[in-house]
Amino acid sequence: GQNIDQPTEMTATEGAIVQINCTYQTSGFNGLFWYQQHAGEAPTFLSYNVLDGLEEKGRFSSFLSRSKGYSYLLLKELQMKDSASYLCAVRGDYKLSFGAGTTVTVRA
Amino acid sequence: AAGVIQSPRHLIKEKRETATLKCYPIPRHDTVYWYQQGPGQDPQFLISFYEKMQSDKGSIPDRFSAQQFSDYHSELNMSSLELGDSALYFCASSPWTGGANTEAFFGQGTRLTVV
Repeated sequence: GQNIDQPTEMTATEGAIVQINCTYQTSGFNGLFWYQQHAGEAPTFLSYNVLDGLEEKGRFSSFLSRSKGYSYLLLKELQMKDSASYLCAVRGDYKLSFGAGTTVTVRA
Repeated sequence: AAGVIQSPRHLIKEKRETATLKCYPIPRHDTVYWYQQGPGQDPQFLISFYEKMQSDKGSIPDRFSAQQFSDYHSELNMSSLELGDSALYFCASSPWTGGANTEAFFGQGTRLTVV
């Protein structure tokens, strides 16, 4: 099975940087996804990592260490609209398993 | 670009009724996942299909069934609805290429309300 852990909540100031950590233990691994979700809306794809290292996409970066079962999502130059839930999801053999999500609140 | 399409967007049913949710994946995506998400909860995996065959099953009640058709669209059938079935139901699709993929996109979801 899958066991995915991420912090419940994080708060940061507009313009700052926040790092959301995700640790996982899975029976199979075919990549790790990060999604952003606003309340009542569908998860929006942010990033995908299958090899170790850092993937950068504008203000968002995601890192993966397969040997440590660890990933992080880095949000830079935070904006108010970044306030949302961020979901770490691990793809096993035939399903995506989600962590409980991290609620990020950006304050002015 | 084409996205995952779900229908209907909203559905209101009475207890013990039946509901059918539809999902049309992104073209050339051969894997479909279904999720249920309650308020303040993370998405709970229900079931997945690869190439029209069920590939994995999660916490899906026996009252629910699903299938993927020849055109790759999928339907989630829910019978004997209960108040607790009220939730957002998401469908996601992805390609399956040699065990790795680079995208898994979600549809906008169907909000089911059981009264």
